[in-house]
Amino acid sequence: DGGITQSPKYLFRKEGQNVTLSCEQNLNHDAMYWYRQDPGQGLRLIYYSQIVNDFQKGDIAEGYSVSREKKESFPLTVTSAQKNPTAFYLCASSTGTLTYEQYFGPGTRLTVT
Amino acid sequence: GEDVEQSLFLSVREGDSSVINCTYTDSSSTYLYWYKQEPGAGLQLLTYIFSNMDMKQDQRLTVLLNKKDKHLSLRIADTQTGDSAIYFCAVPYGQNFVFGPGTRLSVLP
Repeated sequence: DGGITQSPKYLFRKEGQNVTLSCEQNLNHDAMYWYRQDPGQGLRLIYYSQIVNDFQKGDIAEGYSVSREKKESFPLTVTSAQKNPTAFYLCASSTGTLTYEQYFGPGTRLTVT
Repeated sequence: GEDVEQSLFLSVREGDSSVINCTYTDSSSTYLYWYKQEPGAGLQLLTYIFSNMDMKQDQRLTVLLNKKDKHLSLRIADTQTGDSAIYFCAVPYGQNFVFGPGTRLSVLP
């Protein structure tokens, strides 16, 4: 089945540690996105990538880093510089064609204490 | 930039119709989207409408678009408890999307 997978579903870290969230898609989509969702709020764009080996900052990129070495994979690292990392993180992909609706993974809930 | 607004909460009785509203500021969007998010899950694409359409119907879902007022609405007929979720409208902006804050729909028995 085609889709987007994110792992793990739940992640716990101590303050000051970097943590990497996985996102993999087998939809052959060119574009991939990372969003952050906080309780009662909408989605805020962290980073996006339209093509392999290229990515751009979104609205809230500070304290995060990404890589896009393969078309299928777009991991997100939450660094110790991110002041409020506890949140629900969503990965998405799209074809980049005319309709280019986004398909979302199930999300990773990160808790930093 | 693009600004997308939605009311945050809506409660309806089971069997009634639900109407979720969305307003946006950028009129150049070609497609406008509605997503559904169930608790603890990712977003699921519900439906979309092309900007040259006024209405699109898909089973229990009806999307209305008023381009002049930049107003988008999603009507759910015969609302069921399984429709309880957060509904987001999404508007393309440049290479990305701008999502509204989401409307939490509660369906009362």
